Amino acid sequence: GAVVSQHPSRVICKSGTSVKIECRSLDFQATTMFWYRQFPKKSLMLMATSNEGSKATYEQGVEKDKFLINHASLTLSTLTVTSAHPEDSSFYICSARVSFTGEAFFGQGTRLTVV
Amino acid sequence: AQKVTQAQTEISVVEKEDVTLDCVYETRDTTYYLFWYKQPPSGELVFLIRRNSFDEQNEISGRYSWNFQKSTSSFNFTITASQVVDSAVYFCALSEANTGNQFYFGTGTSLTVIP
Repeated sequence: GAVVSQHPSRVICKSGTSVKIECRSLDFQATTMFWYRQFPKKSLMLMATSNEGSKATYEQGVEKDKFLINHASLTLSTLTVTSAHPEDSSFYICSARVSFTGEAFFGQGTRLTVV
Repeated sequence: AQKVTQAQTEISVVEKEDVTLDCVYETRDTTYYLFWYKQPPSGELVFLIRRNSFDEQNEISGRYSWNFQKSTSSFNFTITASQVVDSAVYFCALSEANTGNQFYFGTGTSLTVIP
């Protein structure tokens, strides 16, 4: 199947700093990418849907100003956690949708720890 | 309303036993996709199967098999002769064509295979 690369896989940052997570579709173009958050022993919750060249659509309860999403090209979407706090510590996973088939592939996930 | 229900939160089986993971979904869309993913302790989501709403054929892949029944809105997953390496959290997911193919995940079933 298609490959989605997410980087970094793990990051530890200090409280108050910002962290950027990248999601790349390596062998296909993805007009739509999704960002999910997973709390320990919980399911994946959709945070936002990003469409190339337009603003992301955030799910209810997700702070737009804290979780900045940019989808500047057909192969790259980024999630920036701004002014991170310990409660932002979580596992973040992106997925990229293949335009014609609707199939989505997931990145490896990023484990963010804010200390 | 929960679109995907995985009623079994945790299951433990002894190695070589068969185990079935249940998944019930809810949708009004006629075109949709169902998925199963495996999430080992390392966190990445491993794609297992994708089934579209027009294909009710059951599928077998090695020790894995899936039973799709539209009449009961179920997409159950059976592991035959379970092995310790099967220990993971398994997620069932639904993707609907009319909601941009975002994924709705179940809450996951944590499977432990005891040697």
